[in-house]
Amino acid sequence: SQTIHQWPATLVQPVGSPLSLECTVEGTSNPNLYWYRQAAGRGLQLLFYSVGIGQISSEVPQNLSASRPQDRQFILSSKKLLLSDSGFYLCAWSEEGAGSYEQFFGPGTRLTVL
Amino acid sequence: GQNIDQPTEMTATEGAIVQINCTYQTSGFNGLFWYQQHAGEAPTFLSYNVLDGLEEKGRFSSFLSRSKGYSYLLLKELQMKDSASYLCAVERSNYQLIWGAGTKLIIKP
Repeated sequence: SQTIHQWPATLVQPVGSPLSLECTVEGTSNPNLYWYRQAAGRGLQLLFYSVGIGQISSEVPQNLSASRPQDRQFILSSKKLLLSDSGFYLCAWSEEGAGSYEQFFGPGTRLTVL
Repeated sequence: GQNIDQPTEMTATEGAIVQINCTYQTSGFNGLFWYQQHAGEAPTFLSYNVLDGLEEKGRFSSFLSRSKGYSYLLLKELQMKDSASYLCAVERSNYQLIWGAGTKLIIKP
């Protein structure tokens, strides 16, 4: 069966510090991978998605970046965090290919930038 | 532009029925998802509608009208554990989902 891991679960970082959040998926090959951010009481905002190794599409221009160094690994990074980067970060995966596939979410990382 | 509207919050009584509405205006439409999200947790899949009509799955049903840009999630025989946020998401004609802000459902005894 497929599982998705995210870490850390919670993170408190000062403004201006770097960020690295990691997501890995097990039990599937060549999944589509997604990074979302959810601000308190808000919907999910798609940040990045990837359909394969090294293929990253950005939805919202900001100080975040993503990388997919391996098939089932997706990393969200920032060189300098802003206060507005606080939120609940969710990684998700779906089956390979375009189509109407359910997205499966990781447990999320709650980031607080002070 | 992309727009998905849901009520912010609803309250219902244990054992009752509640309908959560979602209206959307998006460029491209493949289908519509409903997800459940308990506080502090990740969303989990409830339903997916592609064609017009009602899809029933146990106590939960989801309805879609593509011509009206409208969907609803119907929850029957409400239980306390149904207290959660319910997210409506439209799948555009690519890999992406556009998400509503969610409806927080409060169940009272």
